Amino acid sequence: KAGVTQTPRYLIKTRGQQVTLSCSPISGHRSVSWYQQTPGQGLQFLFEYFSETQRNKGNFPGRFSGRQFSNSRSEMNVSTLELGDSALYLCASSRDGKNTEAFFGQGTRLTVV
Amino acid sequence: QQQVKQSPQSLIVQKGGISIINCAYENTAFDYFPWYQQFPGKGPALLIAIRPDVSEKKEGRFTISFNKSAKQFSLHIMDSQPGDSATYFCAASSGAGSYQLTFGKGTKLSVIP
Repeated sequence: KAGVTQTPRYLIKTRGQQVTLSCSPISGHRSVSWYQQTPGQGLQFLFEYFSETQRNKGNFPGRFSGRQFSNSRSEMNVSTLELGDSALYLCASSRDGKNTEAFFGQGTRLTVV
Repeated sequence: QQQVKQSPQSLIVQKGGISIINCAYENTAFDYFPWYQQFPGKGPALLIAIRPDVSEKKEGRFTISFNKSAKQFSLHIMDSQPGDSATYFCAASSGAGSYQLTFGKGTKLSVIP
């Protein structure tokens, strides 16, 4: 059974640009969550999608957005990139989003220069 | 407000010893407590998880102890091996509404031969 796939693995962007990251969850999983990981702040929740609906959003500015498609694949977008957006962005999938096991992908390492 | 406090920040254990990592939470609505292991360059991998209706759960060399009244839970790694050297994160979530994991800051474990 394939795990959670995130693409691309690495990205380098310039301040002011925008970026789109992709996440393919485990087959049959309908909940996709996104997290930002930095050395200073640790793992912080961005948002969660279930059946194409955003159910919850963390304390991040509106520059961070996402969506989920009918096949459960998800994308997150960051507009007007800032240096502080440099981080490892992780996607996690779970079967029904009700406190069941969540499995993470390898992440996308975003560097903003 | 940090809702899950994890200690210690770093831990050095001799091969064959017991590694103990502690976490405390504030939100009494939390009802699912997983532990994740993360190696450099990888996403967090689910190790073991517990719900508040049990006080202990064991899987191989990994044991979670849970104290609901104290709002604390801990991970014990028995017979620690150099291959266990990684960063460990405790997390918590509540089943209400959506699936959002709140993470501790992490513990970097080094197991020395």
